[in-house]
Amino acid sequence: SQTIHQWPATLVQPVGSPLSLECTVEGTSNPNLYWYRQAAGRGLQLLFYSVGIGQISSEVPQNLSASRPQDRQFILSSKKLLLSDSGFYLCAWSQDRGLEQYFGPGTRLTVT
Amino acid sequence: AQKITQTQPGMFVQEKEAVTLDCTYDTSDQSYGLFWYKQPSSGEMIFLIYQGSYDEQNATEGRYSLNFQKARKSANLVISASQLGDSAMYFCAMREDNYGGSQGNLIFGKGTKLSVKP
Repeated sequence: SQTIHQWPATLVQPVGSPLSLECTVEGTSNPNLYWYRQAAGRGLQLLFYSVGIGQISSEVPQNLSASRPQDRQFILSSKKLLLSDSGFYLCAWSQDRGLEQYFGPGTRLTVT
Repeated sequence: AQKITQTQPGMFVQEKEAVTLDCTYDTSDQSYGLFWYKQPSSGEMIFLIYQGSYDEQNATEGRYSLNFQKARKSANLVISASQLGDSAMYFCAMREDNYGGSQGNLIFGKGTKLSVKP
């Protein structure tokens, strides 16, 4: 069966510090991968998606970037965090376009 | 205009009763998909049910069913025989198949908080 991992689970970082969140998927190959952000009390906003190694598409301009160095690894990064980057970050995968997405446990980021 | 609208910020239901969570959507695509997710307080998003725009039958998964009314562009979630563990946020989402080449990206509503009373 497939599983998706995210770490860390929680993170408190000062403004201006770098960020690296990691997501890995097990039990499948060549998944579509997604990064979402959820602000407090809000729905999810898609940040990035990837259909293959090294292929990243951004949905919204922002202070963040994403990379996919391996087939089942998706990384969300920032060089300098802003207060507005605080939120709950969720990674998801789907086997193909159009199929349901399965989410990881999320990372709660607080920028102070 | 919002693509997904969930008009009920919060709902209460008595344990063992059925509850309907509303979702309306806006798209000009003929081919699209509709999803419901559950988010407990732990934060993880749990996939519940899926309805394709060409599916003639309403989707069902155990106690969950999706009341799909295409002409009205609504995709309400019905939970039968509510349980205390159903207390959570519920999100409706849509995938537009012809949307600018995006690879099956989901657009989420703002969610409905369901509270099940014992």
